[in-house]
Amino acid sequence: AQKITQTQPGMFVQEKEAVTLDCTYDTSDQSYGLFWYKQPSSGEMIFLIYQGSYDEQNATEGRYSLNFQKARKSANLVISASQLGDSAMYFCAMREPIESGNEKLTFGTGTRLTIIP
Amino acid sequence: DAGVIQSPRHEVTEMGQEVTLRCKPISGHNSLFWYRQTMMRGLELLIYFNNNVPIDDSGMPEDRFSAKMPNASFSTLKIQPSEPRDSAVYFCASNPGQGDNSPLHFGNGTRLTVT
Repeated sequence: AQKITQTQPGMFVQEKEAVTLDCTYDTSDQSYGLFWYKQPSSGEMIFLIYQGSYDEQNATEGRYSLNFQKARKSANLVISASQLGDSAMYFCAMREPIESGNEKLTFGTGTRLTIIP
Repeated sequence: DAGVIQSPRHEVTEMGQEVTLRCKPISGHNSLFWYRQTMMRGLELLIYFNNNVPIDDSGMPEDRFSAKMPNASFSTLKIQPSEPRDSAVYFCASNPGQGDNSPLHFGNGTRLTVT
């Protein structure tokens, strides 16, 4: 079963509009973390934002915010006032404990976002 | 800080040859991860070290793949013998290993092509 599901393979958004990238996850653990990464065409993986399972407030980092709905097991990324430089692949990931206090990070399949001028 | 350093950036080799990918994690980071990225399978965790000890290698595809971390500042991923289906981008990542909100810091990846 997929641990992380990103249902939008690709999205096209007009510059300056807000965009929401969907992410749902599956875990039976109470303690876990959710991450979003950006991968531009150059290939590097850039960390954007983090949300802990016990965090009551939605995480925000500049133009990025995370719409965390725990009961629905969703952690959507919202990018406000999109820019051409936001065109990239976006990956949702979940950190969950495995054993002995160790953890692993599992990634979704990604969403390719294209900003249209 | 120089970040996670991977070498080489690109590797082209013939089927059957041995390939060694190298990674230097960020100094002070206790956890190191090897991921493989392909169009078909996305980002897959191959193996994960904590304090130089392999913790989870369930993602290693088969016996042709092996990984070592002889010390806190160096890790290798070896494929022997290589096959065309091993062609992918291989990422190394590290994190401090402390606290729930420490993100993985990725290297720039090694693009491997096996012909």
